[in-house]
Amino acid sequence: DGGITQSPKYLFRKEGQNVTLSCEQNLNHDAMYWYRQDPGQGLRLIYYSQIVNDFQKGDIAEGYSVSREKKESFPLTVTSAQKNPTAFYLCASSMRQSVEQYFGPGTRLTVT
Amino acid sequence: DQQVKQNSPSLSVQEGRISILNCDYTNSMFDYFLWYKKYPAEGPTFLISISSIKDKNEDGRFTVFLNKSAKHLSLHIVPSQPGDSAVYFCAASYTGANSKLTFGKGITLSVRP
Repeated sequence: DGGITQSPKYLFRKEGQNVTLSCEQNLNHDAMYWYRQDPGQGLRLIYYSQIVNDFQKGDIAEGYSVSREKKESFPLTVTSAQKNPTAFYLCASSMRQSVEQYFGPGTRLTVT
Repeated sequence: DQQVKQNSPSLSVQEGRISILNCDYTNSMFDYFLWYKKYPAEGPTFLISISSIKDKNEDGRFTVFLNKSAKHLSLHIVPSQPGDSAVYFCAASYTGANSKLTFGKGITLSVRP
């Protein structure tokens, strides 16, 4: 069945290490998004991609990087430059020109 | 500057009663609004949406009302059920925003049996 998968569900890293979060979708959606959620906060947009090989910074892109080499995949790298990387990360996708986004189950990243 | 505001962080209602979740926005360019429901440690799921050309949209127990002049929308859940207990996010977008959504901080709804 179609959907968005994020792996792993929980991820632990030491401070100073880069870590890559996976996001895959088989909905044939053109657009994909990365958000982070912190306690008491809404979802804040990190990066988004409307088509393959193109992506734009969201509101809080500093310390993150992405790639979009395939339509189905939009991995997010949390670099050591991200000052507060511990958060719940959500990936989403949507059809072109549609605002209705479908979300994956999320990855909780803990950096100590 | 927060463009989508959900000023009440939590709401508690009795099972069977109406739940009213409010959302305000400041950007007059917003022309499409959505509500998402989120359980802990899960991704949000789409609930209901409304375009700015309408002032009401209904889907089963869920109704969204839009007051453009007040830049205010509300989600009504009738009757409320314990399974409705979750965090509800209001989100907004506008034509030309490349389908980007701006989210509020969310409201935690608790429905008491």
